Amino acid sequence: GQQVMQIPQYQHVQEGEDFTTYCNSSTTLSNIQWYKQRPGGHPVFLIQLVKSGEVKKQKRLTFQFGEAKKNSSLHITATQTTDVGTYFCAGDNLQGGSEKLVFGKGMKLTVNP
Amino acid sequence: NAGVMQNPRHLVRRRGQEARLRCSPMKGHSHVYWYRQLPEEGLKFMVYLQKENIIDESGMPKERFSAEFPKEGPSILRIQQVVRGDSAAYFCASSPQRQGYFFGPGTRLTVL
Repeated sequence: GQQVMQIPQYQHVQEGEDFTTYCNSSTTLSNIQWYKQRPGGHPVFLIQLVKSGEVKKQKRLTFQFGEAKKNSSLHITATQTTDVGTYFCAGDNLQGGSEKLVFGKGMKLTVNP
Repeated sequence: NAGVMQNPRHLVRRRGQEARLRCSPMKGHSHVYWYRQLPEEGLKFMVYLQKENIIDESGMPKERFSAEFPKEGPSILRIQQVVRGDSAAYFCASSPQRQGYFFGPGTRLTVL
């Protein structure tokens, strides 16, 4: 079945640093979505990318969808303590016959103030 | 416009009892998804429903688990004869078609 993999699984950064996390799918996706879950909370939708090569920015967060629509990246600049949480990517493969999202295992971010 | 509502937020059951989890989607959303999350793990798809229809239940165990989304009222995820391995956070999400999911606060199930 469809698999979505995220690397790295854990990321520890110093406040103010930049970093990038990656998401790879075993199948071509119709769209990819990113979510953030704070400790003890629930996943919150951040963004959806649909077009090949699409780039979207939300303040210090930059999201990119690969040309082949099988991978995506999230880049955070000048990391802050409020960025702490687990970031999930999720793929929607309509060719698989269902509209459900398949989630990666997440990238857990901790920030050293 | 209230968000996705789930209740109870916390549920404790003894082995062999039944657990019933409820989810009310956002107003206007006709798609409901249930996911299970173990500690430090990702979200595992269980079932996708529309009103009165199960669209995809490929992630739900064949035994002891069932789900429904009646014409009136919330979606319900039912776990019969719970075992310790059922302990997890169960999240419900709703969505307008092919857009981002709105997750509820989750039900934390503990099986003693």
